[in-house]
Parts: sequence; structure tokens; C-alpha cells
Amino acid sequence: AQTVTQSQPEMSVQEAETVTLSCTYDTSESDYYLFWYKQPPSRQMILVIRQEAYKQQNATENRFSVNFQKAAKSFSLKISDSQLGDAAMYFCAYRTSLTQGGSEKLVFGKGTKLTVNP
Amino acid sequence: GAVVSQHPSRVICKSGTSVKIECRSLDFQATTMFWYRQFPKQSLMLMATSNEGSKATYEQGVEKDKFLINHASLTLSTLTVTSAHPEDSSFYICSAPEGGLVRAFFGQGTRLTVV
Repeated sequence: AQTVTQSQPEMSVQEAETVTLSCTYDTSESDYYLFWYKQPPSRQMILVIRQEAYKQQNATENRFSVNFQKAAKSFSLKISDSQLGDAAMYFCAYRTSLTQGGSEKLVFGKGTKLTVNP
Repeated sequence: GAVVSQHPSRVICKSGTSVKIECRSLDFQATTMFWYRQFPKQSLMLMATSNEGSKATYEQGVEKDKFLINHASLTLSTLTVTSAHPEDSSFYICSAPEGGLVRAFFGQGTRLTVV
């Protein structure tokens, strides 16, 4: 079964600085999707960024970018120019394939709480 | 963008009663919806996959008779917590994918408190 590990329960960053959140995963599949979701205090889950495993180029979305290392099974999230609104729980997630029990599923890591200091 | 609406956002019920939570996809059809449970300061745990027109698929360890799921239409899935007990108190979140799970949208969540 696929597993997702986030080894940093909490992280903090100064406003306008850069922070990197770590995520590793375990899978035997060669083609899959990885995601970073943000859960602010409102508890609404928001997609931050998505990476397709067959794409070698790292995904970017404005101030958010990933460092995808397929061989190392690592998928870190870099937040540049951190803003107060970035404070939230960040979850790394892996999408299982249809072959696994007949239904795609998202497997989430335990999350990293990011604090942004003014 | 696609929106998923979950209702109610908060509910308090007495032990032994049942509570229904609704999850609607507002501007797209969802043949599949997912129900998660999130304990305080923990991750999302998948409870079941709701399938339109067929039975839900439950994850191991989830009681089918306690957590009844109905997916009666392409835009609505409901989770009913039957004979609720204080240990069922939690945050429940639904999700509906658009275009497979490449893009999943989440409801606002429901905080259930059983007293």
C-alpha cells in the first residue's frame, strides 16, 4: 500500500521569506499524481499544486513550487515570499491508481502546520 | 471553478440519535464522492467512497451500519451517522473529483458533536 510521510509536524517562516515543506512517499507504481493541499483555519481543503509523475519538470504555481525527485520518492513544497495568509496545515497527498481495489483514492500525509511570523 | 457544498457546517446531537450530512457538487456531476474523517490535529482518513447508483465502498474498519452513505443523484451524496455516540464526534469532510482524482474539490466540512 502507498504511504505518505511528512516528517515536519510544524514549521515557521518569517513573512517574505522562503520555506520548504518535506514529503516522501512509498509506491511501486510508475505513473501517479502527487498533490499539496492547504487547510487554513476555516478547515476548507484547497489544492495548492499538482505534479504528474511522468513529467520531469517541477510544477509551479505562482509563489509555490515543488522539488520532485522521483527516484528518491521525494516531493517537497517551496513557498516563496511567504505571506500571512499562507499560514495553514499543509498536506501532501498521493493518488492511487484505478488498479488498486477498483477505485482511485487520495492517501494523505499527517500534515505540517505552517506558521508565518510578521 | 467547481464547488462542493457540504451542509451543515456544525451539528450537535444527543447520543443515540442520527445525523445526516449532505454533500453537493454545485456545477459539475460527480459519479463518485469521498467521505473523510479528521480528528483534531490529524490527517484526513478516508471512510468510504460513494458511488452514484450503487453501493458505497467502505474502508477497512469503518462500520457500514453506523455510517450510511447514499448517492442518489449525480450531484448529491449523504452520510448518515446512526445511533451516534460521543466517540463519533469528529470533523467530517466530503470530496468530489472532477476529471478523475486529478482534481478533487472538498466541502467545507461538518463538525459533529455528540453529547
